[in-house]
Amino acid sequence: ELKVEQNPLFLSMQEGKNYTIYCNYSTTSDRLYWYRQDPGKSLESLFVLLSNGAVKQEGRLMASLDTKARLSTLHITAAVHDLSATYFCAVDNNAGNMLTFGGGTRLMVKP
Amino acid sequence: GAVVSQHPSRVICKSGTSVKIECRSLDFQATTMFWYRQFPKKSLMLMATSNEGSKATYEQGVEKDKFLINHASLTLSTLTVTSAHPEDSSFYICSASLSGSSYEQYFGPGTRLTVT
Repeated sequence: ELKVEQNPLFLSMQEGKNYTIYCNYSTTSDRLYWYRQDPGKSLESLFVLLSNGAVKQEGRLMASLDTKARLSTLHITAAVHDLSATYFCAVDNNAGNMLTFGGGTRLMVKP
Repeated sequence: GAVVSQHPSRVICKSGTSVKIECRSLDFQATTMFWYRQFPKKSLMLMATSNEGSKATYEQGVEKDKFLINHASLTLSTLTVTSAHPEDSSFYICSASLSGSSYEQYFGPGTRLTVT
C-alpha cells in the first residue's frame, strides 16, 4: 500500500524567509504532483514531476523529485503572505491511475 | 480548457434524506472520474473511481450502497449520498481524467455537504 507523508503539517513563517516542505512516499513511483488549496476551495495544480531529478519552478516555489530516495521537496523562497494556503503532494500508483495524497502542509506567512 | 464543474457548490440537508452531487467535464470527454472526500483540515481520501458505462470501483471502507455513483456519460458523473447522516458532512471533490491517467486529472471546485 502506497503511503505518502508530508512534513511539516503546519508551518508558520515570516515574510521574506525561505523554507522547504518535504514529501516522502513508500513505494516506487515516477510521478508526483503538488497542489495548492485555499480555504473552502478545491485543488489548484502547481507542479507535475515526471522523472527522477525533475525540478520545476514557478515564482517563489520550486519543486524537485528524487525517485531513488522517494522524496520530493517544495521550496519556498522569500515567502509572501499570498502564499498562505495548504499544500498537498500526491503520488501516482504504478498503473498511473490513482493518486494518494499526503496529509497536507498548512502554511501561514506572517507579515 | 480542461474545466470540471460540480453542482451544487453547497448543500444542506436533513438527516435521512438523500442528496445528489453532479460532476461535469465541460470541455472534454472524461473516460474516468474520481470522487474524493475531505474532512476539515484533513487530506483528500479517494472514495471511488468510475468509468463511463461501468460500475464504480470503491475504495476499501467506502459503502457502495450509501454512496451511489453513476457515470452515465463521458461528461457526467453523479454521487448520491443516501440516507445522509451528520457524519456524512464533508467536502466532496470530483476529478475527471481524459484518459484514465492521473497525469490528466482535473479537479472540480468541490461540494460542501452539511447534514443537520
